[in-house]
Amino acid sequence: GENVEQHPSTLSVQEGDSAVIKCTYSDSASNYFPWYKQELGKRPQLIIDIRSNVGEKKDQRIAVTLNKTAKHFSLHITETQPEDSAVYFCAAESTGNMLTFGGGTRLMVKP
Amino acid sequence: EAGVAQSPRYKIIEKRQSVAFWCNPISGHATLYWYQQILGQGPKLLIQFQNNGVVDDSQLPKDRFSAERLKGVDSTLKIQPAKLEDSAVYLCASSYSNNEQFFGPGTRLTVL
Repeated sequence: GENVEQHPSTLSVQEGDSAVIKCTYSDSASNYFPWYKQELGKRPQLIIDIRSNVGEKKDQRIAVTLNKTAKHFSLHITETQPEDSAVYFCAAESTGNMLTFGGGTRLMVKP
Repeated sequence: EAGVAQSPRYKIIEKRQSVAFWCNPISGHATLYWYQQILGQGPKLLIQFQNNGVVDDSQLPKDRFSAERLKGVDSTLKIQPAKLEDSAVYLCASSYSNNEQFFGPGTRLTVL
């Protein structure tokens, strides 16, 4: 089955700096890669996703890149703000619409 | 649009007791998922339904966990008997056809 590794597990940045979170996956058939943000005690919420026919996608301060050959994808947050502090999860979808999640990255943005 | 509803939000039980969780997906979403999220980890898929049929339950501990979605809408997840290691947040999610999964608020289970 699919296996998703996520790094780093914790990330501390100064407000205004950029943050990068990286994930690798094992199943070359995976074709959909969402990123979820989960604030403490709340539900995971989709913030951006990318499909395998696209190499990069951007939405305001958030961007995701995908390298299918190397089987890795990354989340980039620019001009970080304190409200970006949360746990971020990457995921990969293999056959049957099933998501496998990474272990999560706790992002702390210091004002 | 109403989101995914789950109940109860919190549950505390003794080990070896039984517990059931309920999920009501977003209207029109044919696919429903149950995930287990242990503290400090990512969600792990337990079971996926397409309408009232099971698509995948390969990670469901079938000796103690069961789930059903009899009419293709609401779903229940049951644990019987519960073990200490079942303490986690149980998340329900639903999706239509464009891959995005919408999560409910979860049920936090504590097994003592």
